[in-house]
Amino acid sequence: EPEVTQTPSHQVTQMGQEVILRCVPISNHLYFYWYRQILGQKVEFLVSFYNNEISEKSEIFDDQFSVERPDGSNFTLKIRSTKLEDSAMYFCASSFRLGTKNIQYFGAGTRLSVL
Amino acid sequence: QQPVQSPQAVILREGEDAVINCSSSKALYSVHWYRQKHGEAPVFLMILLKGGEQKGHDKISASFNEKKQQSSLYLTASQLSYSGTYFCGTEILGGTSYGKLTFGQGTILTVHP
Repeated sequence: EPEVTQTPSHQVTQMGQEVILRCVPISNHLYFYWYRQILGQKVEFLVSFYNNEISEKSEIFDDQFSVERPDGSNFTLKIRSTKLEDSAMYFCASSFRLGTKNIQYFGAGTRLSVL
Repeated sequence: QQPVQSPQAVILREGEDAVINCSSSKALYSVHWYRQKHGEAPVFLMILLKGGEQKGHDKISASFNEKKQQSSLYLTASQLSYSGTYFCGTEILGGTSYGKLTFGQGTILTVHP
């Protein structure tokens, strides 16, 4: 069964460093998302991406964040200068809107630890 | 504004039933239910669209009351594998068509033998 793949599974970085989190969405999906989950809390929306551009972003997604689909398969989230509060699990999701239904499938996540 | 889930936690014995509720203060287009086990990705269970759907998936079913903007997830004859945190994710009516989900805070379900 097709799945969303994320790498790395765990990333440790120093505060102020740049990180890139990578995702390979399901191949025929057209909508891509990043969510994050701080330990023990709910899943929070960061950004949605469609037709090679950001379609919606949350207030969390400030100028330190960017997303890119550099080729036909990868979808990346870059954090330019990490802060301690960026420590969280980051989930990539993708969907193929079929009529009125937009079912999102999540990857296993990347745990980001900022020291 | 995030949907509100209740209860926050449920403890069951195998074979017992549970209901998890998800309420929104905003008019909803759809409700998505996910189950997340510790350290894993949320796994999609089902989607309900406005129109008062009720759906079933094995012994797990759900309903959506669009007048109350409330969805309920029903787990019957629970199994050990049902243990995990259940999240509802909502799409707002009149929002973008890009599928942003706003999640509730989760309900921790524990099933004991």
